Amino acid sequence: QKEVEQNSGPLSVPEGAIASLNCTYSDRGSQSFFWYRQYSGKSPELIMFIYSNGDKEDGRFTAQLNKASQYVSLLIRDSQPSDSATYLCADSRGYSTLTFGKGTMLLVSP
Amino acid sequence: DVKVTQSSRYLVKRTGEKVFLECVQDMDHENMFWYRQDPGLGLRLIYFSYDVKMKEKGDIPEGYSVSREKKERFSLILESASTNQTSMYLCASSDLSGSSYNEQFFGPGTRLTVL
Repeated sequence: QKEVEQNSGPLSVPEGAIASLNCTYSDRGSQSFFWYRQYSGKSPELIMFIYSNGDKEDGRFTAQLNKASQYVSLLIRDSQPSDSATYLCADSRGYSTLTFGKGTMLLVSP
Repeated sequence: DVKVTQSSRYLVKRTGEKVFLECVQDMDHENMFWYRQDPGLGLRLIYFSYDVKMKEKGDIPEGYSVSREKKERFSLILESASTNQTSMYLCASSDLSGSSYNEQFFGPGTRLTVL
């Protein structure tokens, strides 16, 4: 069965720093990867998706994919207290389903 | 604005009761999903559907069934609720079946407590 692994955290960073969130996956055939943000008591919302090796940037967020190492990461530049949330990594499998990691909690202190 | 709604935010039921959780999406999506989310276990897929009257088992289907009579509505049924089904239940939908890009949009969730 496909697995997506994430460090549960919490990852604590000061405001303005770069937060680096990491994810590994077991299936070499995985094509697409997703980062969702989930605030406490809320449902997940998509931040970014990536399907090509390399970096993809969107504002303060950069997703990085290394298929050879089966590794996906999310960098958040200039971290803000409002970025404090749990970040879920997911990879795509058949029938449009996703396999989610258990999430990494990020805490950004003012 | 895309929208997935769930019938209840909080629900309390007794052991052995039959429980219905309803999900409606207004985006004309083909795919709909039911997950449960538990601390330390993450999001786990219970059932999904890629078309009306079609259903597929996810990773943890035991104790659950689903119904999809209309494209916009996907129901999760607990035939005989048990305390280990106390959880947060999340519904999601997505478009572009078969595509490598398939963002899932989530509803607000239903926190079910079984006493």
